[in-house]
Amino acid sequence: AQKVTQAQTEISVVEKEDVTLDCVYETRDTTYYLFWYKQPPSGELVFLIRRNSFDEQNEISGRYSWNFQKSTSSFNFTITASQVVDSAVYFCALSSHPMNTGFQKLVFGTGTRLLVSP
Amino acid sequence: DAGVIQSPRHEVTEMGQEVTLRCKPISGHDYLFWYRQTMMRGLELLIYFNNNVPIDDSGMPEDRFSAKMPNASFSTLKIQPSEPRDSAVYFCASSLRGKGNIQYFGAGTRLSVL
Repeated sequence: AQKVTQAQTEISVVEKEDVTLDCVYETRDTTYYLFWYKQPPSGELVFLIRRNSFDEQNEISGRYSWNFQKSTSSFNFTITASQVVDSAVYFCALSSHPMNTGFQKLVFGTGTRLLVSP
Repeated sequence: DAGVIQSPRHEVTEMGQEVTLRCKPISGHDYLFWYRQTMMRGLELLIYFNNNVPIDDSGMPEDRFSAKMPNASFSTLKIQPSEPRDSAVYFCASSLRGKGNIQYFGAGTRLSVL
């Protein structure tokens, strides 16, 4: 069975602090995808990143960076110099690699609520 | 390009009433998903369609829930009769085969059943 654990229920930081959101996953698949989604106070779910299990390179996009470590089954998300607009609930998700089947179910973690205060 | 469009954004109804939620997926996407989000259960996949055909409805909680996709650009999720425990945010998402299983979500419909 697949499982995603986001142990941090809520994190509070002050603007400009760096913050890391943890994500630990379980799967028996050898190939899979990992995702992060953001849910701001307005409620929509916004896709941030997808990582293929073949590729363990870390990724940076502006103030966002992701650290994928197969050895520890983790896919952590760091926001550098946080801003008030980063306040949201962040979800980590996992799916088997679609390969030729076209779709595999997304398994979501329970989310981490990030509060960034001025 | 327009994203996934859901309507209404908010729905308040009384127990026993029929509720219909609507979704327009991203043009060209061949998968459509309906999710429900509650504090207790988080995000749950209710049903998904491929090329307008329902593939897996194992997440639909009861027979009171039904979903249809009459064409590639429109889907509905209906609850009849509604109950207070159906109160939740309902999301529609779509994706395109071959694009890495990325699902794009709509803004959601917040349903309150009184």
